Amino acid sequence: GQQVMQIPQYQHVQEGEDFTTYCNSSTTLSNIQWYKQRPGGHPVFLIQLVKSGEVKKQKRLTFQFGEAKKNSSLHITATQTTDVGTYFCAPYGSGNTGKLIFGQGTTLQVKP
Amino acid sequence: DAEITQSPRHKITETGRQVTLACHQTWNHNNMFWYRQDLGHGLRLIHYSYGVQDTNKGEVSDGYSVSRSNTEDLPLTLESAASSQTSVYFCASSGGYRNNEQFFGPGTRLTVL
Repeated sequence: GQQVMQIPQYQHVQEGEDFTTYCNSSTTLSNIQWYKQRPGGHPVFLIQLVKSGEVKKQKRLTFQFGEAKKNSSLHITATQTTDVGTYFCAPYGSGNTGKLIFGQGTTLQVKP
Repeated sequence: DAEITQSPRHKITETGRQVTLACHQTWNHNNMFWYRQDLGHGLRLIHYSYGVQDTNKGEVSDGYSVSRSNTEDLPLTLESAASSQTSVYFCASSGGYRNNEQFFGPGTRLTVL
């Protein structure tokens, strides 16, 4: 079935450093969503990307969808301790039926 | 405000017992999903429903069942709990194709001894 690979699995950064997580698929994706899960919490929707080459920004977060729609990335500029958590990419499953296929996630630790 | 709730939040049970986890949403969403989350596996889909009387198997459905008798609820039943089903379970709902952001419940931590 459809799968996505997220790298890295873990990332430790010093507060103020940048952070990037990548999501890669072997198949073309119709769209992709990103979620954040704080420690002990539940996943929370961040954004959805639909168009080839799309770039969206939310304050210090920049989301990109590749030109071939087979990869996506989330970049955080100048990390803060509030960025700690696990970031998941989640493209649609086949058939665009609202079912998501979650990547394994990248867990970000930020040292103050 | 609309919300999605899960109960119980924590449950300890014994191998072989039947367990039902409740999920209730007031978003009036058609789509509802059950996931389990284990270290190293991310979120894996157990069952999902696109509306009343509709249920579908996800990637890890063995040993689990769901039923959808109304829009608001999608209970998850473990027919005969096994230690391998010790996990954190999340329920989620979404409005459909065009509004498919998933809203997650707070989760249920299930321990099977």
